[in-house]
Amino acid sequence: DIVMTQSPDSLAVSLGERATINCKSSQSVLFNSNNKNYLAWYQQKPGQPPKLLIYWASTRESGVPDRFSGSGSETDFTLTISSLQAEDVAVYFCQQYYGTPWTFGQGTKVDIK
Amino acid sequence: QVQLVESGPGLVQPSQTLSLTCSLSGDSISSGSYYWSWIRQPAGKGLEWIGRIYPSGGINYSPSLKSRITISVDTSKNQFSLKLHSVTAADTAIYYCARDRSGDRAFDVWGQGTMVTVSS
Repeated sequence: DIVMTQSPDSLAVSLGERATINCKSSQSVLFNSNNKNYLAWYQQKPGQPPKLLIYWASTRESGVPDRFSGSGSETDFTLTISSLQAEDVAVYFCQQYYGTPWTFGQGTKVDIK
Repeated sequence: QVQLVESGPGLVQPSQTLSLTCSLSGDSISSGSYYWSWIRQPAGKGLEWIGRIYPSGGINYSPSLKSRITISVDTSKNQFSLKLHSVTAADTAIYYCARDRSGDRAFDVWGQGTMVTVSS
């Protein structure tokens, strides 16, 4: 199985400041045939299912605000919230869909400082 | 708009079988090039992929659960189902169904989830 490890486990950021979450995979999730990284990011608010934010490591899902961005390749990835808003308080998960079983990071909780 | 709704008993006795159904609306389960997955989340914890089915043929199970799970599809009812056998307290979790677009968008549509407690 591909192990996904996120850091930090939690962080608190002031409103309007940048939040950065890291995700590391135990093996590369880059498909050489199409040069795509099979890495997704989700946001989960209390009592709700996860919501897809980013796929292919850096492509924003339709309707996701552009303050959310993803970067990275192969084994190291980052989700950045450029200017934290109150509604961004949530747990964020990364997930690889390079090979089954699909696996998720343990989650990073983002709060307001 | 595609919607998924999970249904099933909220309480299952230890050693029994957990049975859940996911109903799809807004699309036909057999019309697209999608897999349909089950994912679970113990309270306050992370997400665990259980398995998936492709209506035209094809099933993948998590190796850690493979010996205990069955996923099936009923295209006439536009539903797919999960059976988890020989449950223990460790299977207590919120169970989600999701559209699995692992060719591009990963899990882009999720149900609201259903809480299942394993207890006598």
